[in-house]
Amino acid sequence: QKEVEQNSGPLSVPEGAIASLNCTYSDRGSQSFFWYRQYSGKSPELIMFIYSNGDKEDGRFTAQLNKASQYVSLLIRDSQPSDSATYLCAVTRYNNNDMRFGAGTRLTVKP
Amino acid sequence: GAVVSQHPSRVICKSGTSVKIECRSLDFQATTMFWYRQFPKQSLMLMATSNEGSKATYEQGVEKDKFLINHASLTLSTLTVTSAHPEDSSFYICSAPERAYGYTFGSGTRLTVV
Repeated sequence: QKEVEQNSGPLSVPEGAIASLNCTYSDRGSQSFFWYRQYSGKSPELIMFIYSNGDKEDGRFTAQLNKASQYVSLLIRDSQPSDSATYLCAVTRYNNNDMRFGAGTRLTVKP
Repeated sequence: GAVVSQHPSRVICKSGTSVKIECRSLDFQATTMFWYRQFPKQSLMLMATSNEGSKATYEQGVEKDKFLINHASLTLSTLTVTSAHPEDSSFYICSAPERAYGYTFGSGTRLTVV
């Protein structure tokens, strides 16, 4: 079982729709959870992180964490073509610990 | 904000030669640097963790003699790919944890071995 699993997609949504990205992790000791966006050939860009169970909202993005189910998700509201990218889920066990990445979900937002 | 400067951004080298990639923390001290490799359409795979003043720790399956990591100062970590071969062609990215900004990534190095 992979440490961090994501549906590789591709996920395609129309402009203005909600995109839902999912991630599960195997290590129950994981404490910090991150969502990154990566454009082709570029380094990952942090979208948001979440530490506590529940929802965390930042603009059009909402991260949801359920530690009991070992599940973290990212919702993108009012999706824009510029949101088209690969979204990486990452987890760490402790502060400053190495970050483990999922394989990424490729999102395409169609105008 | 915290910035990690990574150089070079692209490098093409001949098979059998060595290539050095540098990651420098510009406005904070990076006591730890993580080195990742990413093949096309795949995720980032952790290769090794470097700690200032001590030996790097390598992930299982990563050859320490081939991927030499040096972290001699609090602001500089280097990865040297020795005797590079075409299968080493990949995107290499460094990342450093920083207290206020979380994990800061370098801009990546695209290595092509011909």
